[in-house]
Amino acid sequence: TQLLEQSPQFLSIQEGENLTVYCNSSSVFSSLQWYRQEPGEGPVLLVTVVTGGEVKKLKRLTFQFGDARKDSSLHITAAQTGDTGLYLCAGGSNYKLTFGKGTLLTVNP
Amino acid sequence: DVKVTQSSRYLVKRTGEKVFLECVQDMDHENMFWYRQDPGLGLRLIYFSYDVKMKEKGDIPEGYSVSREKKERFSLILESASTNQTSMYLCASSLYEGLDEKLFFGSGTQLSVL
Repeated sequence: TQLLEQSPQFLSIQEGENLTVYCNSSSVFSSLQWYRQEPGEGPVLLVTVVTGGEVKKLKRLTFQFGDARKDSSLHITAAQTGDTGLYLCAGGSNYKLTFGKGTLLTVNP
Repeated sequence: DVKVTQSSRYLVKRTGEKVFLECVQDMDHENMFWYRQDPGLGLRLIYFSYDVKMKEKGDIPEGYSVSREKKERFSLILESASTNQTSMYLCASSLYEGLDEKLFFGSGTQLSVL
């Protein structure tokens, strides 16, 4: 069974701070996806990374896939209250997605 | 934009009732999924379907069944609802880009079984 561990489980910061959340596994994935889920809504896909070492940027969000394709990180620069939500990573392998349990981020004004 | 619509945002049912959760997608996607989401347990796959009238068990199918009579519609059925099925239920459809499967989720149905 492939498992994805996300850390930290909870994170509360002030607006303007930087943060990094992590997604780790002992398994190799062909791709790694990040979703954001706002309160009362379903998850929305933010990005997919497929190549070991790949870095993708989405405005203030930077996503990195580990060289061995077993881990990933999400860095947010100058967090805003609109970044509040549950961040989920999902690893793809053999046409199946495995989800982590998520990091619940609260950005306080 | 892809739209996945779940018929109810909130639902309250009694133990033993038969419950139907409906999901419709408008992008002609082949694949559809039902997940449940619980605090501390994350997203868990209940059932999925790769085609009309096709269904596959996910990780936690016990107590649930599904129906896919039309490509755009995927229904989750709780034959006899129990309190431990109180949860947030999320429907999704997906498309493949190469080997990568991208999921599009509905807004969820918060089901309470009393």
